[in-house]
Amino acid sequence: GAVVSQHPSWVICKSGTSVKIECRSLDFQATTMFWYRQFPKQSLMLMATSNEGSKATYEQGVEKDKFLINHASLTLSTLTVTSAHPEDSSFYICSAKLGAGVSEAFFGQGTRLTVV
Amino acid sequence: RKEVEQDPGPFNVPEGATVAFNCTYSNSASQSFFWYRQDCRKEPKLLMSVYSSGNEDGRFTAQLNRASQYISLLIRDSKLSDSATYLCVVNPGTGGFKTIFGAGTRLFVKA
Repeated sequence: GAVVSQHPSWVICKSGTSVKIECRSLDFQATTMFWYRQFPKQSLMLMATSNEGSKATYEQGVEKDKFLINHASLTLSTLTVTSAHPEDSSFYICSAKLGAGVSEAFFGQGTRLTVV
Repeated sequence: RKEVEQDPGPFNVPEGATVAFNCTYSNSASQSFFWYRQDCRKEPKLLMSVYSSGNEDGRFTAQLNRASQYISLLIRDSKLSDSATYLCVVNPGTGGFKTIFGAGTRLFVKA
């Protein structure tokens, strides 16, 4: 199946710093990627939809200035958590699809962010 | 009402038991449906797609009832390795890419 690679798999950073997470589609082009956040024992919550060559679409309640998304190429989307705080500590996962609508989603391995 | 709702769980069952998970979705125009499995601290992985005619893959059977907007997953002869969180997933099918996840149902299979 299609492969989505996410990097890094885990990161620890100091409060106030910024962290960049990369999501790559390795064997297909993804015009759209999705960024999710998952807190312990909770489901995946969609944060934003990343669109190649245009601005990301953020879900309600997600601060676009805090979670910067860049989708500069058909195989790479990045999520930057700016001025991270301990409450941003979470599991961040990206996904991409081969096509619109009905196809399954392929997930990156996830990034566990811990802000200390 | 949530777009996708699942049994809250957790389900604690002995090895060999049969367990069923239910899921309802609110958007009647939804076009495709999946069950994903997520192990602790890992990304979700596709378990199986769900078709109107129902489909079976080994010990797993998935069914869809469009009239009731209801999806189910049946696991027979549970194994210890089946312990995980099972996510009901719906694609609205509005022409976009958005995928809606249920909150997940946690399954613990005990020896």
